[in-house]
Amino acid sequence: GAVVSQHPSRVICKSGTSVKIECRSLDFQATTMFWYRQFPKQSLMLMATSNEGSKATYEQGVEKDKFLINHASLTLSTLTVTSAHPEDSSFYICSARDLRQGVYGYTFGSGTRLTVV
Amino acid sequence: TQLLEQSPQFLSIQEGENLTVYCNSSSVFSSLQWYRQEPGEGPVLLVTVVTGGEVKKLKRLTFQFGDARKDSSLHITAAQPGDTGLYLCAGLTGGGNKLTFGTGTQLKVEL
Repeated sequence: GAVVSQHPSRVICKSGTSVKIECRSLDFQATTMFWYRQFPKQSLMLMATSNEGSKATYEQGVEKDKFLINHASLTLSTLTVTSAHPEDSSFYICSARDLRQGVYGYTFGSGTRLTVV
Repeated sequence: TQLLEQSPQFLSIQEGENLTVYCNSSSVFSSLQWYRQEPGEGPVLLVTVVTGGEVKKLKRLTFQFGDARKDSSLHITAAQPGDTGLYLCAGLTGGGNKLTFGTGTQLKVEL
């Protein structure tokens, strides 16, 4: 089955620094990946759609200059949280769609717990 | 904005009990998926329903898609502690590739 690897699983950073999170599709190519944010005991909120070779599409209310997305290859998308602040602390999850499984084949990474101190 | 409201929000039951989780929207979805998520992990797909009125069974779990494709339900028979987790419905609109997630139902099954 399709596997999406997300790294790191946990990261603690100081306020004002930047953090990069990687999302890789291990056994399939993904022209589109998705980035979500999840607060404790809440649902997933879509932040942006990452498009290989082009600019990401951000959801309303998401600061594109703060959450930089790069999708440089068909198997890798990165999310960089710039100038992180404590309110950016959250669980970030990526997903990719493996079209070999049809249009409904979404696979999720295991998430990254970001803590900004 | 398409909203998917799930109910109940929290559910704590004893092992062996039955339960139903509902996922409702005013929007029509071309398909609807159910996921289960454990703490510190990403969601794992349980099922996809596509046709209005469709019923799918996965062992003790029964999923139904409403006739109008605006709502869905998940029924668990004889719940077990291993069923504990966050259950999420997610809808896909026609022609789109973005999943809209429901508000979530936190289930706890105790011995």
